[in-house]
Amino acid sequence: GESVGLHLPTLSVQEGDNSIINCAYSNSASDYFIWYKQESGKGPQFIIDIRSNMDKRQGQRVTVLLNKTVKHLSLQIAATQPGDSAVYFCAELSNTGKLIFGQGTTLQVKP
Amino acid sequence: SQTIHQWPATLVQPVGSPLSLECTVEGTSNPNLYWYRQAAGRGLQLLFYSVGIGQISSEVPQNLSASRPQDRQFILSSKKLLLSDSGFYLCAWGTGVGRSYTFGSGTRLTVV
Repeated sequence: GESVGLHLPTLSVQEGDNSIINCAYSNSASDYFIWYKQESGKGPQFIIDIRSNMDKRQGQRVTVLLNKTVKHLSLQIAATQPGDSAVYFCAELSNTGKLIFGQGTTLQVKP
Repeated sequence: SQTIHQWPATLVQPVGSPLSLECTVEGTSNPNLYWYRQAAGRGLQLLFYSVGIGQISSEVPQNLSASRPQDRQFILSSKKLLLSDSGFYLCAWGTGVGRSYTFGSGTRLTVV
């Protein structure tokens, strides 16, 4: 079936550096992608989204890139801060309304 | 504004007992609704989703069922809980492409 996978389970970065979290998706019919941040004991929080007709979208300190040719999604966090430490998930919305998550990447920010 | 309510926050149930978790959404109509389960340190496993009243799609064969008796109400149930049903259960809603999909605060279920 469809799946959303992440390349790296854990990413450790120095405070102030930029972080890049990657995600591969398998359903070429998916038309909407979302990045979530999850802190311990809480539900996932929306960070940024992108539609399949775009290849880049920027928010505050975050950028999402979409490469439909290789079915790859990435989240870039600029000037990573200790408060960015969390687990990050990508999710894809299929044309049937199914929202599937990847396994997640733990981001550790070192002071 | 739209809000999602999920309760209870924590639940401890004995093996073999029934389960009913409720999720309700306010401020929207005809949302897509979702139930996920998350094991400690793991990703979110999609259990059920619904794109309309009475329409339930099951993703994983298991000891659970879901129902959508009203447009903005989604219920996760079990007749007899197993130890393996323990986990963090999350409800979510969304309304199509371009709208953020929002999660409830989750229910931590421990089956003993």
